[in-house]
Amino acid sequence: DARVTQTPRHKVTEMGQEVTMRCQPILGHNTVFWYRQTMMQGLELLAYFRNRAPLDDSGMPKDRFSAEMPDATLATLKIQPSEPRDSAVYFCASGLVSPSEQYFGPGTRLTVT
Amino acid sequence: EDQVTQSPEALRLQEGESSSLNCSYTVSGLRGLFWYRQDPGKGPEFLFTLYSAGEEKEKERLKATLTKKESFLHITAPKPEDSATYLCAVYMDTGRRALTFGSGTRLQVQP
Repeated sequence: DARVTQTPRHKVTEMGQEVTMRCQPILGHNTVFWYRQTMMQGLELLAYFRNRAPLDDSGMPKDRFSAEMPDATLATLKIQPSEPRDSAVYFCASGLVSPSEQYFGPGTRLTVT
Repeated sequence: EDQVTQSPEALRLQEGESSSLNCSYTVSGLRGLFWYRQDPGKGPEFLFTLYSAGEEKEKERLKATLTKKESFLHITAPKPEDSATYLCAVYMDTGRRALTFGSGTRLQVQP
């Protein structure tokens, strides 16, 4: 049963600390997306990659967020320094060439105190 | 400005009481409309993709339809296990060329 996996599932950290979230996309999928979900804003696209190349990161605060895909089996999202307003659930999703359905991971629930 | 609006925000049904959820969109160059289901504490789960007006897709008690301005998710004789948040998303020919999600409809089906 092919699934997107994300680690950690929960993260509590203090303001100013670095946070790294990891995602393993479904094998064979060439597009990876990072989303953030909050009650107020809903599901927002932060960035996405195709064939490991960043295509769009306009949804990310550039001064503190960075997304990379060092190889086809790993995508990372880093926040440095973290702030309380970054508290949210961060989802990774993968898919094939757009437009097509995306398959979401279970999410990382981030709390910044 | 491109927008995706879902209604109602929340819906409470009795088991067996059929209803419809709405997703209206004002976008240019629609290339696909997607429906997802999200259970609490989980990631959205893909349900359907619709590409052109008049298209319909079915899965168990769910049926999705698409017109030029909106999509409906019809739920026939729902069961408590259908309780979830239902999200629609559009993929456009312009802009970021990625899914733009609506805010969702929270469905609760009571036994």
